[in-house]
Amino acid sequence: NAGVTQTPKFQVLKTGQSMTLQCAQDMNHEYMSWYRQDPGMGLRLIHYSVGAGITDQGEVPNGYNVSRSTTEDFPLRLLSAAPSQTSVYFCASSYGVGDEQFFGPGTRLTVL
Amino acid sequence: GIQVEQSPPDLILQEGANSTLRCNFSDSVNNLQWFHQNPWGQLINLFYIPSGTKQNGRLSATTVATERYSLLYISSSQTTDSGVYFCAPPNAGGTSYGKLTFGQGTILTVHP
Repeated sequence: NAGVTQTPKFQVLKTGQSMTLQCAQDMNHEYMSWYRQDPGMGLRLIHYSVGAGITDQGEVPNGYNVSRSTTEDFPLRLLSAAPSQTSVYFCASSYGVGDEQFFGPGTRLTVL
Repeated sequence: GIQVEQSPPDLILQEGANSTLRCNFSDSVNNLQWFHQNPWGQLINLFYIPSGTKQNGRLSATTVATERYSLLYISSSQTTDSGVYFCAPPNAGGTSYGKLTFGQGTILTVHP
């Protein structure tokens, strides 16, 4: 199993550009989520999904969209990048809600 | 939501020393995870521990859910143990279902 994979590892954007961060897992996990990690702020939940076709907002959803068309994939879209979105983004998955969660390697995003 | 407090915030050890990291949380939890974030930024699962004690090599963890705390023990520390240690209980329900609430972490530095 590859576990949770994320691409790209690094990305630099200009303000106003859009992009999609990819997340995939091959463990047949139903629950998937996106976090961002900022210095002094810990990890904060952006969006999550309890299964294909079902998504919901976390604590910092503004400026991000998600969709879940398959069990395996959970992409995160930045609609119009802002410098405040400079962060490290982690995707996580677990078999079900409340089960052990596993994290991908992260994407380091810089918005100029 | 649940509040998580970790102590100490920083810890410096000589190789071979033992240490105890503490995680206090404000509400009842059904489970709790401990992670190690290595110097490359990866979040590595250490323990998924609802209650009781688990051991994995030189590391062990104890969660006393009724008293709302968990302890992570590191014995015979090695330089590769350096990094940040997080505890994270999940939301049991309501908004952001399944969200892991991360403490601020303990920064561990092990010197040779």
